[in-house]
Amino acid sequence: AQRVTQPEKLLSVFKGAPVELKCNYSYSGSPELFWYVQYSRQRLQLLLRHISRESIKGFTADLNKGETSFHLKKPFAQEEDSAMYYCALNGDSSYKLIFGSGTRLLVRP
Amino acid sequence: GAVVSQHPSRVICKSGTSVKIECRSLDFQATTMFWYRQFPKKSLMLMATSNEGSKATYEQGVEKDKFLINHASLTLSTLTVTSAHPEDSSFYICSARPSRSSGSRYEQYFGPGTRLTVT
Repeated sequence: AQRVTQPEKLLSVFKGAPVELKCNYSYSGSPELFWYVQYSRQRLQLLLRHISRESIKGFTADLNKGETSFHLKKPFAQEEDSAMYYCALNGDSSYKLIFGSGTRLLVRP
Repeated sequence: GAVVSQHPSRVICKSGTSVKIECRSLDFQATTMFWYRQFPKKSLMLMATSNEGSKATYEQGVEKDKFLINHASLTLSTLTVTSAHPEDSSFYICSARPSRSSGSRYEQYFGPGTRLTVT
């Protein structure tokens, strides 16, 4: 069964500290993985996807098939990064996304 | 581009009544739209996949007779909560998958959500 696990409900760091939001998945094939972000009072929006291998707002995420992980990282957190972050997986032809439970990132000044 | 709207943004209804929520893709066509339910401080739970011109596909445990979905056009899907009860109170979010995309075939754009309160 497809599953996405985000073990941390809340991650609190100080401004300028490195950030790593963990995401593990279970899927037998070759999934596509995404990170979505939801800022306060805003809609869910795509942050990045593994196939693009891009860096958005300083965030990167590498797909590690051996560890079935897709952790989101940023070397220096900013206060404006405070938000809910959701890892999502899609692995079948239905195009639906399976979301993790989300991690709230709080960046303190 | 790629904006999805939902209407209404907030609705309060009495127990036993029905309420309709609209999801529109404003500047693109969407063959497929998705309906999610978000509980407080929890993740999004996929309720159903709405396909233009065909019946919706519901996730396990979601009552299709209670949550009626109609995807009447390539830019509009509606979710009707029938005979609403207080336990149906929640935040309902839709997303739309572009019929044509230069990005991932799984790309979805999300609406702002609708807060339903059943009294």
